[in-house]
Amino acid sequence: SQKIEQNSEALNIQEGKTATLTCNYTNYSPAYLQWYRQDPGRGPVFLLLIRENEKEKRKERLKVTFDTTLKQSLFHITASQPADSATYLCALGRYGGSQGNLIFGKGTKLSVKP
Amino acid sequence: ETGVTQSPTHLIKTRGQQVTLRCSSQSGHNTVSWYQQALGQGPQFIFQYYREEENGRGNFPPRFSGLQFPNYSSELNVNALELDDSALYLCASSLGTGRLVGGDTQYFGPGTRLTVL
Repeated sequence: SQKIEQNSEALNIQEGKTATLTCNYTNYSPAYLQWYRQDPGRGPVFLLLIRENEKEKRKERLKVTFDTTLKQSLFHITASQPADSATYLCALGRYGGSQGNLIFGKGTKLSVKP
Repeated sequence: ETGVTQSPTHLIKTRGQQVTLRCSSQSGHNTVSWYQQALGQGPQFIFQYYREEENGRGNFPPRFSGLQFPNYSSELNVNALELDDSALYLCASSLGTGRLVGGDTQYFGPGTRLTVL
């Protein structure tokens, strides 16, 4: 069955550094990949989407890469701030199913220390 | 805020009972998806409704059922509650076509925390 792994449950970094989160998957061929941010007790908030034919996407301090050969996505937050502390989820989806049928990883909890 | 609201915020039930959770979509959205998120896990897809019809279902038993109303609000019903049903239930709305487009942005509500004792 399909499996998604996010590199670690928790990542601690210093303010100003670049945070890099990893999402690996097996037994799946996604058409696109999404990254979400989730704060405690809240629903996930959509951040970025990248499609299988795209290598990289950027949005302000965020950058996502997608390597379908390695079956991996990297999510970068540059110049990290304490306000970036949250759990980040990756989610895979593909055409041929209902739009809501995303497969989520467990998430990585990022803590940015001042 | 996404404009998606859910009620109630928290709910405590006992095993064997039935529960109904509600979701109001963001204005203009015609598609609602429901997810179950257990503690420390990512959300798991339950089902999706597009224009009042079920448009896809995840690996959940039939005791999980839903409805979507003409105003695109939605309900999730769970019968014969089990202890493992304790989780955060999320709904997400989007503007979809019901066809194989995929990748549309979904807007999640804050969730309903269900505890089954």
